[in-house]
Amino acid sequence: NAGVTQTPKFRILKIGQSMTLQCTQDMNHNYMYWYRQDPGMGLKLIYYSVGAGITDKGEVPNGYNVSRSTTEDFPLRLELAAPSQTSVYFCASSYGAGAYGYTFGSGTRLTVV
Amino acid sequence: AQRVTQPEKLLSVFKGAPVELKCNYSYSGSPELFWYVQYSRQRLQLLLRHISRESIKGFTADLNKGETSFHLKKPFAQEEDSAMYYCALAQGAQKLVFGQGTRLTINP
Repeated sequence: NAGVTQTPKFRILKIGQSMTLQCTQDMNHNYMYWYRQDPGMGLKLIYYSVGAGITDKGEVPNGYNVSRSTTEDFPLRLELAAPSQTSVYFCASSYGAGAYGYTFGSGTRLTVV
Repeated sequence: AQRVTQPEKLLSVFKGAPVELKCNYSYSGSPELFWYVQYSRQRLQLLLRHISRESIKGFTADLNKGETSFHLKKPFAQEEDSAMYYCALAQGAQKLVFGQGTRLTINP
């Protein structure tokens, strides 16, 4: 019963490098989300998806891209890493919508140096 | 704009004392509110939702529309309650807006 799986758990990037944060869920949830968690700032929504082939921007999308080719996968792409993207990233999924409550992944701690 | 405010970043109480974590929201429609908890080295998990009117791990939260609040309460704190707590508001039908979080520490 995996739920939401995120990889990697930790990563250090140099400024200007690119990487993809992976997120997979096995609950057949339609809704998936990417948040970043900064100390004292709570969770900010980066991108979300309401189903395969459909994505939309959240509150802080700049510097990120997403795709949703399958129901299970929702990768987050950082093209040109910047120190401001140092954060903990959480992927989440939901059966119907936000009101159903989220299932979260364990997070990816990213440091950009 | 929809907003969730948790005025206390840090809250420290002694074991056995009552706990209240504050949450205020601004929302023009009928709100759906949640409390999430993150224990040390664990992922965020749903603690309770107002629509269920449930008590989880001794915690309750009542929606007060007049005061636009959804405070989380527990009459007798336990050491295992130490964690980060987030209040969240369902924004429309699609996504949650989270507060800044309150780190609760229960002192022995």
